[in-house]
Formats: sequence, C-alpha cells, structure tokens
Amino acid sequence: GENVEQHPSTLSVQEGDSAVIKCTYSDSASNYFPWYKQELGKRPQLIIDIRSNVGEKKDQRIAVTLNKTAKHFSLHITETQPEDSAVYFCAASRQNTGTASKLTFGTGTRLQVTL
Amino acid sequence: SAVISQKPSRDICQRGTSLTIQCQVDSQVTMMFWYRQQPGQSLTLIATANQGSEATYESGFVIDKFPISRPNLTFSTLTVSNMSPEDSSIYLCSAPLTPGANVLTFGAGSRLTVL
Repeated sequence: GENVEQHPSTLSVQEGDSAVIKCTYSDSASNYFPWYKQELGKRPQLIIDIRSNVGEKKDQRIAVTLNKTAKHFSLHITETQPEDSAVYFCAASRQNTGTASKLTFGTGTRLQVTL
Repeated sequence: SAVISQKPSRDICQRGTSLTIQCQVDSQVTMMFWYRQQPGQSLTLIATANQGSEATYESGFVIDKFPISRPNLTFSTLTVSNMSPEDSSIYLCSAPLTPGANVLTFGAGSRLTVL
C-alpha cells in the first residue's frame, strides 16, 4: 500500500518568513495530493491540492509543487502569519475519474509562526 | 456549503462497553471514509463504507471491533466495540462533498475517552 513520509515534524518560523514542508510517497500510481490544515481541536480542512498532470499550483500565499519522477511534493507558505500556526498534513491517493478514493496521510508538521 | 456532521462530539466510556458514532451528510455520496486520529498523531484510515455493500477495512482493523453500517447514501455509523483505553482517540468520518470534485471533507470528529 501507499506510504507517505513528511518532514519536518515541527517547524518554527518568524512572521513574514516562508515555510516549506516536504512529503514523499511510495506508490507511483498515486495521482492526487491534497494538503490539510488542522487547527487545535478542529477538523482537518483542505487548503490546496494538486493532481499528477501538473507540476505546480498556487493559491495566494500557498503553493504546492510535485515531482512525479522523484515521488515527492512540497507545500510552500510565503509571508507567514500567526494564523498559519497549525498542524499540516500531506496526503496521497489514486483517484479514478468520478470516484473518490481513500487518502493516505503523512505524519504531520506542526508549524508555529512567531511574532 | 456542504455539511458533514457527527455525533457524539465527545464521550467518556467505560472499558468493555461499545459506542456507536453517527455521520450524516447533506448530499448523497457513494463512499464514506472513517478515520482514527490518536492524540497528537496523524489520520489513519479504518475503513471505506460503500452504500449497499460491506465496508472495506484497512490492515489492522477488523469488522468485529469496528462494525460499520451504511444504510443509505447520506448516513453511516461506526461502532467501537468492547472498548479499552487504547481506543481513546478522535474518530472522523469524511466524504466527497464538493460538487464536481473528489475532495474529501471531514466531520468535526468524535473524541472518545475510555476509562
């Protein structure tokens, strides 16, 4: 089955700096890679995702890159703000057109943005 | 926006008892997924619940311990049977609720504490 590794486990940055979280996956058939943000005591919420037919996707301060050959993908947050502090999870899955598929999650990264 | 709700939100249970968690979505979905999140850990898939068929369990999870029902396209239950303190965890259901996309939305979770 799929195995997703995530690094670092904790990350502390100063407000305004950038943060990068990296994940690797094992199943070359995986084609969908979402990132979830989980604030303390809250449910995981999707912040961005990327499919295997693109190499990069950006949404305001957040971007995700994918390297299919190396089987790794990364989350980039620029101009970090205190409200970015949370646990971030990467995930991977095989998705067929029109069908939802199970997600395999990474181990999570606790991001702390300090003033 | 689409809604996915779980109950109970939390409960304290005695060792040896069983508890059923309910998950309700406000749109019809073929697949629903049950995850477990142990304290400070990532999300681990327990099983995939398809309407009209038996649930598909992941390695390490068995039907006798985690029976699942899926009576219709908007509802599912997960029972945690014969609980022990090791079952203390957050249990989350998820479903693809975004129209036209197979993005998983999570419920708020059910936090179980087993004494």
